[in-house]
Amino acid sequence: DTAVSQTPKYLVTQMGNDKSIKCEQNLGHDTMYWYKQDSKKFLKIMFSYNNKELIINETVPNRFSPKSPDKAHLNLHINSLELGDSAVYFCASRGTGTGELFFGEGSRLTVL
Amino acid sequence: AQSVAQPEDQVNVAEGNPLTVKCTYSVSGNPYLFWYVQYPNRGLQFLLKYITGDNLVKGSYGFEAEFNKSQTSFHLKKPSALVSDSALYFCAVRDMGDYKLSFGAGTTVTVRA
Repeated sequence: DTAVSQTPKYLVTQMGNDKSIKCEQNLGHDTMYWYKQDSKKFLKIMFSYNNKELIINETVPNRFSPKSPDKAHLNLHINSLELGDSAVYFCASRGTGTGELFFGEGSRLTVL
Repeated sequence: AQSVAQPEDQVNVAEGNPLTVKCTYSVSGNPYLFWYVQYPNRGLQFLLKYITGDNLVKGSYGFEAEFNKSQTSFHLKKPSALVSDSALYFCAVRDMGDYKLSFGAGTTVTVRA
């Protein structure tokens, strides 16, 4: 059973399109995250939700919109895709207290 | 504000030799410190963490790390490296009470046979 699962794993699309990435965790965690890993492997936090409430919103273009329908799911919708959006997007979850983050396998987005 | 520095982009060691990956951090409060490993085309895997207590923490796959408050460091170590340890290693820090986990730039470890 995969703890944090993301779909799709690969996404190739044209500039200007809109796309979504879905994430689900079966760990019973309250907090979920989206991270972006660029071509230099640098990891940057984008958003975090705790019990469906947005708690972290870094300086991300408003073309990116997260949605958490329940605490087990955190989706990422991206409008008007640009070349610079090409990256690997990681979803992660964390339990309460001092716990570590559990990461999904990533979704590689390529914008042509 | 919190930040992590990994001063080495790459670390190369021979199999069987000790491996050290360096990390220094900056937080305003008490740090929660973590090490993760990433294999090619995979997600990040948790190795170990320091929250409180003993400064030497042991983790998965024979890795350990030493918390040094005065030097604000949390270096990752393995006494005898394996070729299979070749991967990208990330140090991360979270301020106590904060939700945000900040990562260093990563260190690529290559262990040669």
